[in-house]
Amino acid sequence: EPEVTQTPSHQVTQMGQEVILRCVPISNHLYFYWYRQILGQKVEFLVSFYNNEISEKSEIFDDQFSVERPDGSNFTLKIRSTKLEDSAMYFCASTGQSQETQYFGPGTRLLVL
Amino acid sequence: RKEVEQDPGPFNVPEGATVAFNCTYSNSASQSFFWYRQDCRKEPKLLMSVYSSGNEDGRFTAQLNRASQYISLLIRDSKLSDSATYLCVVNDDNQGGKLIFGQGTELSVKP
Repeated sequence: EPEVTQTPSHQVTQMGQEVILRCVPISNHLYFYWYRQILGQKVEFLVSFYNNEISEKSEIFDDQFSVERPDGSNFTLKIRSTKLEDSAMYFCASTGQSQETQYFGPGTRLLVL
Repeated sequence: RKEVEQDPGPFNVPEGATVAFNCTYSNSASQSFFWYRQDCRKEPKLLMSVYSSGNEDGRFTAQLNRASQYISLLIRDSKLSDSATYLCVVNDDNQGGKLIFGQGTELSVKP
């Protein structure tokens, strides 16, 4: 069964450093998403991406965040200068033409020290 | 008012019990509705979509009441493996729109 994959599974970084989180969505999917979940809190939407551009972003997704689809398979989330409050689990998701169901990757646990 | 509201629980039930979760959503124009399951420190996984006519998948039954903006999930004959957090999820836009998650309801099924 096809699945969304994410790397790395865990990332520890110092405050102020840049991190890039990587995702490989399901191969024939067209819509891509990043969500985050701070420990003990609900899953929150960050950004959606379609047709090589951002279709929607939340208030959380400020100038420190960017997304890219550098090739036909990868979808990345970059945080330019990490803050302590960026510590969270980051989930990538994708959905196909029917847009019915979003499938989530296993997540990257980011810890900013 | 929270966009999607759930009782956080925890619900502690014995094996074989029937348990019901409820959820309310604030946007009357919401388009589609789901229950996801999340195990500890794992990704959300789709349990079932929810339709106005109600739908059933084995031991799981989901109902949607658009007039009341209310969604429910019923689990019959609960198993130990049902222990997880159940997330009520709403999509306001079927054109590739974002999912809006509730806080989740924690279920613990005991032997």
